[in-house]
Amino acid sequence: EPEVTQTPSHQVTQMGQEVILRCVPISNHLYFYWYRQILGQKVEFLVSFYNNEISEKSEIFDDQFSVERPDGSNFTLKIRSTKLEDSAMYFCASSERDSSYNEQFFGPGTRLTVL
Amino acid sequence: SQQGEEDPQALSIQEGENATMNCSYKTSINNLQWYRQNSGRGLVHLILIRSNEREKHSGRLRVTLDTSKKSSSLLITASRAADTASYFCATTSYTGGFKTIFGAGTRLFVKA
Repeated sequence: EPEVTQTPSHQVTQMGQEVILRCVPISNHLYFYWYRQILGQKVEFLVSFYNNEISEKSEIFDDQFSVERPDGSNFTLKIRSTKLEDSAMYFCASSERDSSYNEQFFGPGTRLTVL
Repeated sequence: SQQGEEDPQALSIQEGENATMNCSYKTSINNLQWYRQNSGRGLVHLILIRSNEREKHSGRLRVTLDTSKKSSSLLITASRAADTASYFCATTSYTGGFKTIFGAGTRLFVKA
């Protein structure tokens, strides 16, 4: 069964460094999402992406964050200058149609630790 | 602001019993979804119910949606130890684009 994959599974970085989290969505899906979950807290929406542009983003998704689909398969989340409070689990998701129609399929997540 | 909130926060039952989890939200929605998350793992989609639907079944799962009360419930029948996990409701609404908001979740523990 097709699934969303994410790399790396765990990333440790120093405060102020840039990180890029990678995702490979399900191949026939057109809508892509990033969420984060701080330890012990709820899953928070960051951004949705369709047709090579951001369709919606949350207040969390400030200028430090960016997303890109550099090729036909990868979907990346970049954090330019990481802060301690960026430490969280980051989940990528994809859906065949927009989220009003279809369920989103989630990847296993990347645990980001900022020291 | 729109928010999905589950109750109870935690639920402990014996294997074979039914588990009911509730979710409330504040604004109009396009759909509501339930997800399961095992500790430290990814989210597994369980059921999506659209705003014009009232009930949906999938195996041992039954989801209801009452848009007049802005609430939903997830019933797991004949629970198993393997059902032990956190369960989240998530609502999708149009706010210029579609956004999905998760609740804080219910931690379910099924004792063998």
